Amino acid sequence: EIVMTQSPATLSVSPGERATLSCRASQSVSSNLAWYQQKPGQAPRLLIYGASTRATGIPARFSGSGSGTEFTLTISSLQSEDFAVYYCHQYNNWPPWTFGQGTKVEIK
Amino acid sequence: EVQLVESGGGLVQPGGSLRLSCAASGFTFSSYYMIWVRQAPGKGLEWVANIKEDGSEKYYVDSVKGRFTISRDNAKNSLYLQMNSLRAEDTAVYYCARDPPPELGDAFDIWGQGTMVTVSS
Repeated sequence: EIVMTQSPATLSVSPGERATLSCRASQSVSSNLAWYQQKPGQAPRLLIYGASTRATGIPARFSGSGSGTEFTLTISSLQSEDFAVYYCHQYNNWPPWTFGQGTKVEIK
Repeated sequence: EVQLVESGGGLVQPGGSLRLSCAASGFTFSSYYMIWVRQAPGKGLEWVANIKEDGSEKYYVDSVKGRFTISRDNAKNSLYLQMNSLRAEDTAVYYCARDPPPELGDAFDIWGQGTMVTVSS
């Protein structure tokens, strides 16, 4: 099973600032890595797939990078609606499909 | 509009059973893998099961093997999760989601709103 580890657990950022979230895989997942955003009481929403491709309707301030075992989600200028929990997800080696434990982006 | 709507959650005693349903609309249901993902209260996301487009292949997380059964009815655009021998640790919000083929991204691109399952005496 591939273990996905996200850091930090919580990120405190001021609106308008840049946020950088990390995700590490216990073995290579190539570029088969997705990022999701989840707000309280809501379902997850797909942001990025293929490590760097934005899903339909996702603003350009969200960008993903990396391959192999190290990945990054960057939010270039945080808006109020971006404060949420973010999960990475590998779909390279399955079953099982595995998620990271999440990074909470909170208002500083 | 592409949509997934879950139903069937509720309170059940340990050892009991529950059947979740997921109604799909706005896309060709029979062309997609479908999955169930759960989220325990205050916890992260956990993949539970998935099923191939025609139902010929099914996969389960180890903790539910032998207890849960995923199925689908393509004529009714519906996905199901039969949950037997439920345990307290199965308490979670259960989401159904769509899994596109690799050429369309292969990540879980559409999610339902979730249905809560509580296992407690």
